[in-house]
Amino acid sequence: QKEVEQDPGPLSVPEGAIVSLNCTYSNSAFQYFMWYRQYSRKGPELLMYTYSSGNKEDGRFTAQVDKSSKYISLFIRDSQPSDSATYLCAIGNFNKFYFGSGTKLNVKP
Amino acid sequence: GAVVSQHPSRVICKSGTSVKIECRSLDFQATTMFWYRQFPKQSLMLMATSNEGSKATYEQGVEKDKFLINHASLTLSTLTVTSAHPEDSSFYICSARGTSGNLVIADTQYFGPGTRLTVL
Repeated sequence: QKEVEQDPGPLSVPEGAIVSLNCTYSNSAFQYFMWYRQYSRKGPELLMYTYSSGNKEDGRFTAQVDKSSKYISLFIRDSQPSDSATYLCAIGNFNKFYFGSGTKLNVKP
Repeated sequence: GAVVSQHPSRVICKSGTSVKIECRSLDFQATTMFWYRQFPKQSLMLMATSNEGSKATYEQGVEKDKFLINHASLTLSTLTVTSAHPEDSSFYICSARGTSGNLVIADTQYFGPGTRLTVL
């Protein structure tokens, strides 16, 4: 069983839609939960990070963690064409992150 | 803040040659740097973790004699792919973690832009 599972998509939505991206993980000891955005042929860019269950909001982005279900989500409100990218979840502990396979998102104008 | 650079961004070399990739933290001191490898449409695979002044810790299955990592200063780590072969062609990405003045970047990893290696 992989440490982190992520639906690869692709996910195609119209501009302005609410996007939901999800990951599950296997180790209940994991304490760090991150979301990265990666454009084609570029390095990942940190979007959100949190350590606790619940919601964390930053602008149009909301990260949600449910430790009891070992499930994390990233919500994007009012999605824009510029949000089109691959979104990677990273989950783990201080010394090591495990990355999901990435969900490719396409926001159509 | 928290900017990481990599050089070169792209390199093409002949089989059998060695290639050095540099990773620099530009505005913070990176106590730990990580090296990843990414194949097309796949996620990041951790190759090794290096702490400044210490030997790197390699992940299982990664040949430490082939992928030489040096983290000699708090702002620079290098990955040398020795005797590169076509199967080493990949996208190599570094990330850094550390602290910088009032900005604590101790828990997350900030990534460089990546280096695309093509071995002919």
